Amino acid sequence: ETGVTQTPRHLVMGMTNKKSLKCEQHLGHNAMYWYKQSAKKPLELMFVYNFKEQTENNSVPSRFSPECPNSSHLFLHLHTLQPEDSALYLCASSQKTGTSNPDEQYFGPGTRLTVT
Amino acid sequence: KNQVEQSPQSLIILEGKNCTLQCNYTVSPFSNLRWYKQDTGRGPVSLTIMTFSENTKSNGRYTATLDADTKQSSLHITASQLSDSASYICVVTEGDSSYKLIFGSGTRLLVRP
Repeated sequence: ETGVTQTPRHLVMGMTNKKSLKCEQHLGHNAMYWYKQSAKKPLELMFVYNFKEQTENNSVPSRFSPECPNSSHLFLHLHTLQPEDSALYLCASSQKTGTSNPDEQYFGPGTRLTVT
Repeated sequence: KNQVEQSPQSLIILEGKNCTLQCNYTVSPFSNLRWYKQDTGRGPVSLTIMTFSENTKSNGRYTATLDADTKQSSLHITASQLSDSASYICVVTEGDSSYKLIFGSGTRLLVRP
């Protein structure tokens, strides 16, 4: 596997539920990301955390709330979601070097979320 | 608008055959271009990364090309195997921000015996 784990792998929740997605990276990286992959659409960047600080919030609705307690763990808290939020949620991590060389993003297996 | 377009949307080939996937982009300024392989139910895995100055890069049976002038890239798969069945995603990084990745919709490849 890639060294990035995500739990749960599958989640079904009602629109009034509150749930959390968890991501853990075992690669010693300093940046972590949340992506959304809807059916037949490109991956969409949601949030970026660099050294535990949120550096990007790509106009994501407030019903998605990220949390990064340390450089190895990333959470996505979900509440009052809509059916159109059903998608594959992918976590990724990378090591930012501060140089112009591109940093490689390593993806987890994703959480398949269904909102009913 | 920064976009990445891939073609074809899907492709079926016989095992052992070669194939080429296309990627056109309008992202500017351009930093680098990546090809990812995504198996069903899994996260994407990087195949190649190319910067502006590189026009070809290989990873085993995968060879990517980049023409930064025409803003086109291709991914060539040689001697395809059943395990090559997956989605192949072209990703372009915008500007000098290494996390502003613009993703294509992918090409779904099916390799049949």
